[in-house]
Amino acid sequence: GAGVSQSPSNKVTEKGKDVELRCDPISGHTALYWYRQSLGQGLEFLIYFQGNSAPDKSGLPSDRFSAERTGGSVSTLTIQRTQQEDSAVYLCASSPQGGYTFGSGTRLTVV
Amino acid sequence: AQSVTQLDSQVPVFEEAPVELRCNYSSSVSVYLFWYVQYPNQGLQLLLKYLSGSTLVKGINGFEAEFNKSQTSFHLRKPSVHISDTAEYFCAVSPYNNNDMRFGAGTRLTVKP
Repeated sequence: GAGVSQSPSNKVTEKGKDVELRCDPISGHTALYWYRQSLGQGLEFLIYFQGNSAPDKSGLPSDRFSAERTGGSVSTLTIQRTQQEDSAVYLCASSPQGGYTFGSGTRLTVV
Repeated sequence: AQSVTQLDSQVPVFEEAPVELRCNYSSSVSVYLFWYVQYPNQGLQLLLKYLSGSTLVKGINGFEAEFNKSQTSFHLRKPSVHISDTAEYFCAVSPYNNNDMRFGAGTRLTVKP
């Protein structure tokens, strides 16, 4: 597609459940990023994929968080045993180089 | 890894006043620099970017930023703001040799009538 697509746009889940968030990057973009934006907070880096290199996972806040990128394209961010503090907007972006294109995000609410 | 510091978390200004949003970065390699804007309830949009060449970069909506290598700064400026400029502004840095972009914590610009 023309832009970065994220799904679902909104997700409400019960505490303790697992959730999967999906990102379809722009075709041909080799780099893909996940960020988290909590209410009133800035952008928190989570994970970065670049081509076939090992991902930079240094931003993942705990071992409940993981992400995959299959075939160098679609990425899935998985949060296991969700907690209320996981509530945030999860943003995906893709890039060749020289600036990202962001998706519109997934708003996750853990109740 | 590189890092970005946005010195002001909130900047309130009156309409038609000038504004400067400050950004400093740290990196061991040469970098590209960016400003993104997030309007209320919307996603992030690229405002302007410095890749090379002239250190004064002009972006959309009358904004500009100046890259100062010696001071490792990339401050954003607008000579006269409008109510519609109320938004969150993020400074970001990405090394020349990869796509690993990091963002500052953001500056909330509030323009008052």
